[in-house]
Amino acid sequence: QVQLVESGGGAVQPGRSLRLSCAASGFTFSSYDMHWVRQAPGKGLEWVAVISYDGSKRYYAASVKGRFTISRDDSKNTLYLQMNSLRPEDTAVYYCAKDSGYDANEPGVSDYWGQGTLVTVSS
Amino acid sequence: DIVMTQSPDSLAVSLGERATINCKSTQSLLNNSNNKNYLAWYQQKSGQPPRLLIYWASIRDSGVPDRFSGSGSGTDFTLTISSLQAEDVAVYYCQQYYSPLGYTFGQGTKLEI
Repeated sequence: QVQLVESGGGAVQPGRSLRLSCAASGFTFSSYDMHWVRQAPGKGLEWVAVISYDGSKRYYAASVKGRFTISRDDSKNTLYLQMNSLRPEDTAVYYCAKDSGYDANEPGVSDYWGQGTLVTVSS
Repeated sequence: DIVMTQSPDSLAVSLGERATINCKSTQSLLNNSNNKNYLAWYQQKSGQPPRLLIYWASIRDSGVPDRFSGSGSGTDFTLTISSLQAEDVAVYYCQQYYSPLGYTFGQGTKLEI
């Protein structure tokens, strides 16, 4: 069965960096686009970034563009999110999510999600 | 950016009754080349990650009970739960995936018994 396990979260000071990882199993990782979505404590969902199955397309939310970088290592079945210049408003649970593949042309909806990893940005 | 607005923010419905949640986008989500609306609905129960319920505005994902249905086109969409069950208590989100520059979610609707 599909499993997505995030790691790398923790407490960090504003302006510092953090790298999140998402270990995937149970599906052919290299065939699917992958997303990061975050949720601030007690708040709604915010889509963060997506990378295409072959890494050729990467899209970001305006709130993180230029600070965050999404990447993947298909040899390790792992998705990453490099987060630089962190701000208090980046505090959230970060979910890794598999794209459904229902849209053959572009990333679309997410059909499997991990349990998330908490990132806290505070001085 | 496409802004998604859900209504109401919260909703209380009796068991067995119908629940209706609305979602409106600031621009059309209908792709005229394939006649598909790029709108999805998710359910998030307390302490859990979201679950995909509906995609292409009206297609139920695998394993989703048929009491859940999605409708609408263009800028106005609806999620309907035909007969509310206790396990349906959750926050429901719509999401547009029309623009890969930002797959925005609605603010969520909290559904209670």
